[in-house]
Amino acid sequence: DAKTTQPNSMESNEEEPVHLPCNHSTISGTDYIHWYRQLPSQGPEYVIHGLTSNVNNRMASLAIAEDRKSSTLILHRATLRDAAVYYCTRSSGNTPLVFGKGTRLSVIA
Amino acid sequence: GAVVSQHPSWVICKSGTSVKIECRSLDFQATTMFWYRQFPKQSLMLMATSNEGSKATYEQGVEKDKFLINHASLTLSTLTVTSAHPEDSSFYICSARDVGSGNTIYFGEGSWLTVV
Repeated sequence: DAKTTQPNSMESNEEEPVHLPCNHSTISGTDYIHWYRQLPSQGPEYVIHGLTSNVNNRMASLAIAEDRKSSTLILHRATLRDAAVYYCTRSSGNTPLVFGKGTRLSVIA
Repeated sequence: GAVVSQHPSWVICKSGTSVKIECRSLDFQATTMFWYRQFPKQSLMLMATSNEGSKATYEQGVEKDKFLINHASLTLSTLTVTSAHPEDSSFYICSARDVGSGNTIYFGEGSWLTVV
């Protein structure tokens, strides 16, 4: 049980921002929120993770709700190379990541 | 980010034989690694947690005698599929936790196994 809920699919136009939502209403206080993306026949690629505060890196931004029951991965300018399945997961301590079905992002040129 | 490497990238084996897949953390030490299996158009399914110097912890429904996991060093975990059957054909992916980078978990490239 991934314990996260994401839309099955989303579409974006190239060079437009993309907001990928994730619900994790049963998150515990020590759970980090992790985002990965996966291209066909490749292992998942780390995107970003955070605990409470919003996080930014060169790939994306992670906005975490104040109650931590949801988060949003933000791609500021979608490119064709961003088309992938995006997974939102949670874990704390030494626990493994458990994956749900993720969101398949399509980017339209 | 840190690098996790798997070998081989793909392998074909005959039914009844065993095949070993290696997972290495190239630039960090990993006391814990994880093994997943992924069927086409499905999500990753956690198989087991590999602990350096101790026995692996298997998820419910995963046969420990069929999927042998060894984590003999801080940079290497191996998954051996024993007496392989065609239904074991899948994409096997490992990951490792990098404590030095805030417990970020990095994944390998994956290994395609086809049993004929």
